[in-house]
Amino acid sequence: DAKTTQPNSMESNEEEPVHLPCNHSTISGTDYIHWYRQLPSQGPEYVIHGLTSNVNNRMASLAIAEDRKSSTLILHRATLRDAAVYYCILRALHPTGSARQLTFGSGTQLTVLP
Amino acid sequence: EAQVTQNPRYLITVTGKKLTVTCSQNMNHEYMSWYRQDPGLGLRQIYYSMNVEVTDKGDVPEGYKVSRKEKRNFPLILESPSPNQTSLYFCASSFTGRAGAQETQYFGPGTRLLVL
Repeated sequence: DAKTTQPNSMESNEEEPVHLPCNHSTISGTDYIHWYRQLPSQGPEYVIHGLTSNVNNRMASLAIAEDRKSSTLILHRATLRDAAVYYCILRALHPTGSARQLTFGSGTQLTVLP
Repeated sequence: EAQVTQNPRYLITVTGKKLTVTCSQNMNHEYMSWYRQDPGLGLRQIYYSMNVEVTDKGDVPEGYKVSRKEKRNFPLILESPSPNQTSLYFCASSFTGRAGAQETQYFGPGTRLLVL
């Protein structure tokens, strides 16, 4: 399975943009890039996903490199509530059976400073 | 409100005393799954179910059982808990109709289990 690499931790000031990087140099042509986050004492929650084009939703933006070997999750104005572990996950186009599971790495611990 | 619920949220038990952690979702999802989360090991899948009466092992199934008699419920059963099953457990669910790569999974709030 293609793997992802993320920094262990990042810090941001409140109300400033945050760019969370993810490297996935062995990504296949049909793998989707998903981001989940886990707030303290909560279950993981979906943030955003994309294939090739940049994506925006109410929570964040996803910028995908042209060669797809890296991506960046962008929080436009970080709040204290955005402090969480952020996971970058690759999903095969048609996962079957156990491949439907989400393979969580160690993620990036985001600290937001007031 | 669309959600995945788990009960209990916290549980302390003793070795060998059978327990069940319940999981229920109200989104009519076909796929349901159990994960455990341990420091340094991340989240690992225990069992999953593609639909009613269809279950299969994940990466760490030893010591656990599951059942899927109804679409909304997916209980996790520890027949004889041991201290190495002390962990944080999450239930998750999703649709299976769309291309798998685009499915999003919804997670419950977690059950923290301590086995003495």
